[in-house]
Amino acid sequence: DTAVSQTPKYLVTQMGNDKSIKCEQNLGHDTMYWYKQDSKKFLKIMFSYNNKELIINETVPNRFSPKSPDKAHLNLHINSLELGDSAVYFCASSQDYSVPSYNEQFFGPGTRLTVL
Amino acid sequence: GQQVMQIPQYQHVQEGEDFTTYCNSSTTLSNIQWYKQRPGGHPVFLIQLVKSGEVKKQKRLTFQFGEAKKNSSLHITATQTTDVGTYFCAPRYNNNDMRFGAGTRLTVKP
Repeated sequence: DTAVSQTPKYLVTQMGNDKSIKCEQNLGHDTMYWYKQDSKKFLKIMFSYNNKELIINETVPNRFSPKSPDKAHLNLHINSLELGDSAVYFCASSQDYSVPSYNEQFFGPGTRLTVL
Repeated sequence: GQQVMQIPQYQHVQEGEDFTTYCNSSTTLSNIQWYKQRPGGHPVFLIQLVKSGEVKKQKRLTFQFGEAKKNSSLHITATQTTDVGTYFCAPRYNNNDMRFGAGTRLTVKP
């Protein structure tokens, strides 16, 4: 069983479209994250949720909206896609962000988003 | 703000040579984690360092945390082609904020 799964793995879409990426973890973790990795491999945190509550909300365009229906799921919805949104998006989870010894992050396989 | 510098950005080595990547923070860290990302893969946790001056080893990998808890290093002895990938440090600050360094991309020539 995959610990952190994301769907879809690849997403090719036109500018202006709206798309969603789903993430699920079966580790029983309290904290989940979304990262964006650009072509230079920079890993930039976008959002983090702890027990369905938003705890990190970095400076990202408000076209990006996370949703956590329960603590095992954290989805990312993107409105009005732009060329610059093309990147690999990683979901991750950790047991409890507030406890240093429980903060090892487990990453999903990534979603490669290409905006044409 | 809290910033971390990871150097070098790229490192090309001949198989069998050693490799080191460094992570330097402007502020004292609570702890620091290291991750490895293989080409086409996702970041995978390697280790966490917590104590001042801590040194941990995993086979050919040696991780160090500075005495002032502001810097850390990952050293690989006698690199192999399986070591290829990008190594990230992920420092954690005292306010629980955690950021990833820019990464060091290692290529190994057989």
